[in-house]
Amino acid sequence: AQRVTQPEKLLSVFKGAPVELKCNYSYSGSPELFWYVQYSRQRLQLLLRHISRESIKGFTADLNKGETSFHLKKPFAQEEDSAMYYCALSGPVLRKLVFGAGTILRVKS
Amino acid sequence: SAVISQKPSRDICQRGTSLTIQCQVDSQVTMMFWYRQQPGQSLTLIATANQGSEATYESGFVIDKFPISRPNLTFSTLTVSNMSPEDSSIYLCSIPGRRATEAFFGQGTRLTVV
Repeated sequence: AQRVTQPEKLLSVFKGAPVELKCNYSYSGSPELFWYVQYSRQRLQLLLRHISRESIKGFTADLNKGETSFHLKKPFAQEEDSAMYYCALSGPVLRKLVFGAGTILRVKS
Repeated sequence: SAVISQKPSRDICQRGTSLTIQCQVDSQVTMMFWYRQQPGQSLTLIATANQGSEATYESGFVIDKFPISRPNLTFSTLTVSNMSPEDSSIYLCSIPGRRATEAFFGQGTRLTVV
């Protein structure tokens, strides 16, 4: 069964502190993994895709197939990073997204 | 990126009534998705709407409760029928982006059933 687990509902850090939002997945095959972000009063938008191996707004995420994880990291959190973050996966063909429960990141000054 | 307009943005409805949510995209797309986000929960796919064919529903969702129309490649509607308070959710439409499997989302419809 396809499943995405984000164990933390809320993560609260101080500005400048490192951030790691955890994501584990279950999928029989080779999924594509994503991080989506939703800022206050804005729509859901893509932050990162594992296949592009990019860094966006200082965030990176590495796919670890052995641990079936796709944790989101940023070395120094900023207040504008405060948002809801969703980890999601899809199969290579059907493009349907399976979302985790989401983690609220709150960056305090 | 595509522009997706969804309306209404919110509504408060009486139980037993139906609400139709509209999703308009500024480009032609083959597939459109409808998701539900119940309070405090994640997004769950309701169905995939393909132009020219019946929608494909996910487990736990049926056409009688959530009829979908897809009259052309830029527009779709989702109806929430015979509503009960348990249908209070945010409903979102989504389309795949040009890059493989990236998705764009509408702003969502916040439905409250009283």
